[in-house]
Amino acid sequence: GQQLNQSPQSMFIQEGEDVSMNCTSSSIFNTWLWYKQDPGEGPVLLIALYKAGELTSNGRLTAQFGITRKDSFLNISASIPSDVGIYFCAGQLGGGTSYGKLTFGQGTILTVHP
Amino acid sequence: NAGVTQTPKFQVLKTGQSMTLQCAQDMNHNSMYWYRQDPGMGLRLIYYSASEGTTDKGEVPNGYNVSRLNKREFSLRLESAAPSQTSVYFCASGRSSDEKLFFGSGTQLSVL
Repeated sequence: GQQLNQSPQSMFIQEGEDVSMNCTSSSIFNTWLWYKQDPGEGPVLLIALYKAGELTSNGRLTAQFGITRKDSFLNISASIPSDVGIYFCAGQLGGGTSYGKLTFGQGTILTVHP
Repeated sequence: NAGVTQTPKFQVLKTGQSMTLQCAQDMNHNSMYWYRQDPGMGLRLIYYSASEGTTDKGEVPNGYNVSRLNKREFSLRLESAAPSQTSVYFCASGRSSDEKLFFGSGTQLSVL
């Protein structure tokens, strides 16, 4: 199956610091998505990217769809304690009946120290 | 507005036992999905249903069956549970026209 490599696996930062994580693939994806998972909950969509080169923001979060369509990154600025959680990238190959057939990265565990 | 509701939240089974995980959504979505989450491996698709009346295999379907009971409900069945099926299971739903999935809060399953 498809493989998404997400890095880093974990991050320990101080409140107020900026965070950057990325995802790379050996295959081209048509859509990249970033999800956040809080403990004991399901993933929640943060940002969706649809075009190569697209840069999209959602509050303190900024994500980009790589030009090659094989990578994406997520930045979080001025981190706060509630940013703690697991961040997942996900790629989607095409439309039709495969819209929700996502390939997920392994996740980045983010810890924010007050 | 409940979104996607999964039951049970926790379950412990013995090897060989069977059980059904239930999922219901109230967002009038056509598509529903079952994913499993294992440490260090992200989420992997087990089965999905693009619309009422259809189901298809995902990446890791072996050992599972599904039923799309109606537009709202999509169940996952383990006929003979194995320790390798110890995992957290997530149900998700979405519109047929895009890839934005809405996830339930998960079922933590342990098979001893």
